[in-house]
Amino acid sequence: QVQVVQSGAEVKKPGASVKVSCKASGYAFTGYYLHWVRQAPGQGLEWMGWINPNSGVTEFAQKFLGRVTMTRDTSISTVYMELTRLRSDDTAVYFCARANLLVGFDYWGQGTLVTVSS
Amino acid sequence: DIQMTQSPSSLSASVGDRVTITCRASQSISSYLNWYQQKPGKAPKLLIYGASSLQSGVPSRFSGSGSGADFTLTISSLQPEDFAIYYCQQTYSTPSFGGGTKVEIK
Repeated sequence: QVQVVQSGAEVKKPGASVKVSCKASGYAFTGYYLHWVRQAPGQGLEWMGWINPNSGVTEFAQKFLGRVTMTRDTSISTVYMELTRLRSDDTAVYFCARANLLVGFDYWGQGTLVTVSS
Repeated sequence: DIQMTQSPSSLSASVGDRVTITCRASQSISSYLNWYQQKPGKAPKLLIYGASSLQSGVPSRFSGSGSGADFTLTISSLQPEDFAIYYCQQTYSTPSFGGGTKVEIK
């Protein structure tokens, strides 16, 4: 069965970086884009970007340009999202989600809480 | 960027009620519109894709309609497990989500 499993919660200081992993299983890893979406406490969903696990090509939302990197390791079916120069308003749950071209985001990770606090 | 506007932002309803949530895009997005349900502490769950197609395993009381810029999610008979927040999402261009609609118990 398809599973998307993320790394655990992180606590970071302002100005630091965080790297969240997302391991996929149960399907052809290189066949589906993986997207990152975040949700601040009590707020809605915010799309951050995607990575094509086959080519490594990425696209990011304008507001994260210059601060976010997405990479993949096909040998372990894992993608990574790194966010740098963290601020308090980056405190959020970060989700990765598989994008099925015709269907939408059909499988989601459990979410990773990133807390930015001095 | 395409902006997605949902209404209402919240509603109160009783078990058995028919519930309708609307989503409007800032430009035409054809039928590239998906609906998700999110419960507290959980990841969103895909309900409807392509504006009107029911995702596998989702109860038939959920339905979606619309095309172009105006879309609707309908729950025909609200069940206790349906109290949640609902989001629309466009995938016509770089994805974006609506602000959400919280469905609460009356």
